[in-house]
Amino acid sequence: DIVVTQSPLSLSVTPGEPAAISCRSSQSLLYGNGYNYVDWYLQKPGQSPHLLIYLGSTRASGVPDRFSGSGSGTDFTLKISRVEAEDIGVYYCMQHLQPPRSFGQGTRLEIK
Amino acid sequence: ELNLLESGGGLVQPGGSLRLSCAASGFTFNIYYMSWVRLAPGKGLEWVAHISQDGSEKNYYVDSVKGRFTISRDNAENSLFLQLNSLRAEDSAVYYCVRDRRVGIWNGLDVWGRGTTVTVSS
Repeated sequence: DIVVTQSPLSLSVTPGEPAAISCRSSQSLLYGNGYNYVDWYLQKPGQSPHLLIYLGSTRASGVPDRFSGSGSGTDFTLKISRVEAEDIGVYYCMQHLQPPRSFGQGTRLEIK
Repeated sequence: ELNLLESGGGLVQPGGSLRLSCAASGFTFNIYYMSWVRLAPGKGLEWVAHISQDGSEKNYYVDSVKGRFTISRDNAENSLFLQLNSLRAEDSAVYYCVRDRRVGIWNGLDVWGRGTTVTVSS
């Protein structure tokens, strides 16, 4: 099974400052079609998770452009260019290259 | 409006069973794979199972539930199910119904229900 590891597990950021979360996979997530089979999700307090980024770098509908996904193979990064108060919650990466799908442990973002 | 509404959660004793249901609306249910994802207290998200758009392909499960949980669907009723048997304390979690991919198209797990809570305790 593919193991996905996130770092850091927690992050405290001043509003307006950037933030970055790393996601590493035990196997390459690059499929033969050139896409990386990794997504990013955010679960805000008291809410269901929602999709931020899919296939490594494509923003989901309605996601602000301050969120971006990058990386290839086994190393991926979610970046927030300027953190806002509404960005608090737990961020997860998830691989869907092969079942069972697997999430990272989650990264909790708080605002300073 | 896209909507997934879970039901069927509750308190059950270890070794017991529950059947979770998910009613889908606002989209063409029978062209989407569907998944269940859970969030246990103090833990992170865990993908549990998924089923193909018509149930004809192999269903997949996380190792910890294989042989105990069964995913199924009724496209005529736009419904997804998860049968939970031989429940353990570690199965206690909020269970989310999630819209998955279409054949040949991945747009992420893009629609999530509000979840239904399963508590396994004596």
